[in-house]
Amino acid sequence: NAGVTQTPKFQVLKTGQSMTLQCAQDMNHNSMYWYRQDPGMGLRLIYYSASEGTTDKGEVPNGYNVSRLNKREFSLRLESAAPSQTSVYFCASSNWNTEAFFGQGTRLTVV
Amino acid sequence: GDSVTQMEGPVTLSEEAFLTINCTYTATGYPSLFWYVQYPGEGLQLLLKATKADDKGSNKGFEATYRKETTSFHLEKGSVQVSDSAVYFCALSDASRNSGNTPLVFGKGTRLSVIA
Repeated sequence: NAGVTQTPKFQVLKTGQSMTLQCAQDMNHNSMYWYRQDPGMGLRLIYYSASEGTTDKGEVPNGYNVSRLNKREFSLRLESAAPSQTSVYFCASSNWNTEAFFGQGTRLTVV
Repeated sequence: GDSVTQMEGPVTLSEEAFLTINCTYTATGYPSLFWYVQYPGEGLQLLLKATKADDKGSNKGFEATYRKETTSFHLEKGSVQVSDSAVYFCALSDASRNSGNTPLVFGKGTRLSVIA
């Protein structure tokens, strides 16, 4: 029972490098989300996909892009990483108006 | 817009003490309310939920009651254990805002430390 799987778990990038965070869920959920977690800031929504084929900006979308590859997979791309993007990133999925299930997180450091 | 406000931490309690973590919300419609727990180095796990006014969510000795009149969803536990040390997040989902899924809106989290 995998739930929500994120890869990688840890990553160090140099400023200006690009990378893609991968997320997959096996619960047949329609909606998927990317959040970032910073100390004292709680979780802030970066992008979400209410259903396959749609994506919408959240609270802090600048510097990120997303792709809803299919119903299972939702990736987050950093085109040119900046130190301000050092954070822990969580992917989550849910169905309509129900609880979200979270992955274990990706700890990203940009130096 | 929708928002969640929860008490600032950290909260430090002795084992077997009573716990209350306050949470109030602002929403335009009739939200569902959630408490999540995050143990060190892990993702968030749903602790309990309530989907309508006066509902009480409960799990692992934790309880929270959906109070529409005070727009609150306070988390309580009668006797905390060291293993309850974690960060607790209050959250809401307001499906009435649009016709599709609505992302959870989170409070900033409250760190609880329980000492033996």
